[in-house]
Amino acid sequence: QKEVEQDPGPLSVPEGAIVSLNCTYSNSAFQYFMWYRQYSRKGPELLMYTYSSGNKEDGRFTAQVDKSSKYISLFIRDSQPSDSATYLCAMSGANSGYALNFGKGTSLLVTP
Amino acid sequence: EAQVTQNPRYLITVTGKKLTVTCSQNMNHEYMSWYRQDPGLGLRQIYYSMNVEVTDKGDVPEGYKVSRKEKRNFPLILESPSPNQTSLYFCASSGRSGRGAYEQYFGPGTRLTVT
Repeated sequence: QKEVEQDPGPLSVPEGAIVSLNCTYSNSAFQYFMWYRQYSRKGPELLMYTYSSGNKEDGRFTAQVDKSSKYISLFIRDSQPSDSATYLCAMSGANSGYALNFGKGTSLLVTP
Repeated sequence: EAQVTQNPRYLITVTGKKLTVTCSQNMNHEYMSWYRQDPGLGLRQIYYSMNVEVTDKGDVPEGYKVSRKEKRNFPLILESPSPNQTSLYFCASSGRSGRGAYEQYFGPGTRLTVT
């Protein structure tokens, strides 16, 4: 079983929709939870970071971590065509040497 | 401008011909790492370096070498490339090490094809 599971999509939504992206994981030692965004032909860039459980909000983006369910989410409100990209979840923890464990990424398309 | 640069961006080569992909960062970061990204497999770490002269294997190190002689540079060496090393390669750096290396800055990628 992969340590981090992420539905690859593609996910297509109309402009203005609320987008929900999710990852599940199996390693209970993960403590750091990240979302990276990757535009076509570019390297990933860090979008959000959360330590342990809870919510974090940054503008139109909200990251949620539920450690009891081993489930993390990224919500995008009022989605824009410029949000069209691949979203990668990543996690790290002490027992993996804090190496980033990435999901395979979800491809998102926001149509005007 | 703070950035991670990689060269070349695109490379087509033949089996067995040694090659080096360079990576350089101008942010004085201690932590640097190499990943490969393949369809259906996602990003996988090849090697990482916590500081100068300190390197360690990631998840998929076979067939690759690295060196860290200077803080800013972290070249990836393929001594005898094979077709299964055809992939998109990313270099990344972080100003934090250990538990803090979650914020990684990625280069633009190098698309390598081995025939």
